[in-house]
Amino acid sequence: SQKIEQNSEALNIQEGKTATLTCNYTNYSPAYLQWYRQDPGRGPVFLLLIRENEKEKRKERLKVTFDTTLKQSLFHITASQPADSATYLCALAERGGGNKLTFGTGTQLKVEL
Amino acid sequence: DAGVTQSPTHLIKTRGQQVTLRCSPISGHKSVSWYQQVLGQGPQFIFQYYEKEERGRGNFPDRFSARQFPNYSSELNVNALLLGDSALYLCASSRPGRGKETQYFGPGTRLLVL
Repeated sequence: SQKIEQNSEALNIQEGKTATLTCNYTNYSPAYLQWYRQDPGRGPVFLLLIRENEKEKRKERLKVTFDTTLKQSLFHITASQPADSATYLCALAERGGGNKLTFGTGTQLKVEL
Repeated sequence: DAGVTQSPTHLIKTRGQQVTLRCSPISGHKSVSWYQQVLGQGPQFIFQYYEKEERGRGNFPDRFSARQFPNYSSELNVNALLLGDSALYLCASSRPGRGKETQYFGPGTRLLVL
């Protein structure tokens, strides 16, 4: 069966450290994978997109990697801040599936002072 | 530019009733998608519309239907509501052409079915 798995347990880290979130998938052929941030009671906000032929993407303090052999994406936030506390969702779009996104369950990140 | 807007923000219905949720995409965006997000889960794809035509449908029963209007706004209808339909309903729009993969989500409509 198809699955997208993210760490179900909340991730607590100290301010200034690097947060690393994991997204694993099975039985998908993704054309691209995206990461979104979601705050309580709000809609997801797009952060980064990485395509199947790309290994790494960066945007300011954010970095995403994509390993189609391991079927895994890692999302890194460097120099984390309390304002980074939120739920982070990975989502993939399959080849030939248009813009239809399949989301993981999300990982809650809490950055403590 | 204004973001994606959805109405109403909150809604309480009873089992068996029908509900209509509305979405206005960002100006210039022609594609609208609907997602259902149950508490503690990621959003689940329901429908995608582009230029008023259905382009994708998720694994939801026929009680769920949608349409897109000439101004690209969209409505999601759910008939014969069940308790399990209680969720946050999200609308997302995307632009045509370059950057079309990025979806811009609205704040959602929180539906509670009693």
